[in-house]
Amino acid sequence: DQQVKQNSPSLSVQEGRISILNCDYTNSMFDYFLWYKKYPAEGPTFLISISSIKDKNEDGRFTVFLNKSAKHLSLHIVPSQPGDSAVYFCAASYNNDMRFGAGTRLTVKP
Amino acid sequence: DAGVIQSPRHEVTEMGQEVTLRCKPISGHDYLFWYRQTMMRGLELLIYFNNNVPIDDSGMPEDRFSAKMPNASFSTLKIQPSEPRDSAVYFCASSRLVFGTDTQYFGPGTRLTVL
Repeated sequence: DQQVKQNSPSLSVQEGRISILNCDYTNSMFDYFLWYKKYPAEGPTFLISISSIKDKNEDGRFTVFLNKSAKHLSLHIVPSQPGDSAVYFCAASYNNDMRFGAGTRLTVKP
Repeated sequence: DAGVIQSPRHEVTEMGQEVTLRCKPISGHDYLFWYRQTMMRGLELLIYFNNNVPIDDSGMPEDRFSAKMPNASFSTLKIQPSEPRDSAVYFCASSRLVFGTDTQYFGPGTRLTVL
């Protein structure tokens, strides 16, 4: 069962514009959420996280928003840069369980 | 630190053969995770260890899959016998703490192709 869903397999944006990647989850028990970025032929690397007690966390150009009532989180990248082109995975965890989404491939065009 | 090391990076084998994937976690990390990435299902957690002890193997798809961690610096994931549907990228990751409290550091992955 897909408890964490990234419904957009791909996203293309222009350099300098905002990239918004979305993620939905079904299990209300999840209390910690993460975004990982993956380049080809490399393992995923941690990008940013948010606890369920918050609704926003910002780190430089990256901001994660959490809407618990909608069971939805999003990652905003502003401004987008060509080097941001990668696959982005969202993940949700609680206790001894962690689930990843299928990933969204972001392409930032110069 | 060299990060999480996985070997081999690529493995091509024939159906029915035994496959062994290897992982060396980051020194000092008490948790080790094995994931499988496929186009259809994304990243799936297969099993994880804490201090070399398997904690949760509910993600292991079948009895054909087994994982061991004989010491703090080495783990293996074995598939016997392998099948074409096992073709995927297998990642090993390690962390100091368990989910939700610490970042997981991933290795570069092993791309497995079963013909």
